[in-house]
Amino acid sequence: NAGVMQNPRHLVRRRGQEARLRCSPMKGHSHVYWYRQLPEEGLKFMVYLQKENIIDESGMPKERFSAEFPKEGPSILRIQQVVRGDSAAYFCASSPPAELGKNIQYFGAGTRLSVL
Amino acid sequence: GQQVMQIPQYQHVQEGEDFTTYCNSSTTLSNIQWYKQRPGGHPVFLIQLVKSGEVKKQKRLTFQFGEAKKNSSLHITATQTTDVGTYFCAGPFGGGATNKLIFGTGTLLAVQP
Repeated sequence: NAGVMQNPRHLVRRRGQEARLRCSPMKGHSHVYWYRQLPEEGLKFMVYLQKENIIDESGMPKERFSAEFPKEGPSILRIQQVVRGDSAAYFCASSPPAELGKNIQYFGAGTRLSVL
Repeated sequence: GQQVMQIPQYQHVQEGEDFTTYCNSSTTLSNIQWYKQRPGGHPVFLIQLVKSGEVKKQKRLTFQFGEAKKNSSLHITATQTTDVGTYFCAGPFGGGATNKLIFGTGTLLAVQP
């Protein structure tokens, strides 16, 4: 049973470009969460999605950031017109429906975004 | 807003010494979880505590959930170099339909051989 898969592991973008980060949850998991971690800092919640629905996006910046979890395929975190301050590690986590209320989340290896 | 604070921010110990990190939430939690993140790695789930006053052990690690369910601690006995990393506590906030976790500020543990 493969774990949470994120790709790419490393992504370099120039200011103004778009970044697309992908996350495939563990098999059987229908809940996906995105977190951002700045260097030497903790994990900040960004968004929580279920298939085709955004459940909680209270941690998402209002502009340039969007997330989706389509019926088929991975969850995508999209950052438009990246700026240097977007440089961070972006982690995806997933949990199965059975864990609802328990909230145990399983993390992917992360995507390290560097904006030049 | 919802906050989860941890102390200390950083701890440097000699191998074989004990280590404790403390976690405090601004609100009562239904459960608390602990994760470990190795340098350059990703958070890995360690344990979940649900009951008031609960104590759980994993080999040299002892986890405790406070009576008021607002604080928790992780104690490592006789640290080893493999214990190096950042330890985060996390609690669910929002209730209902949302399952977001609010992570603590983390404690970075350095172990000198």
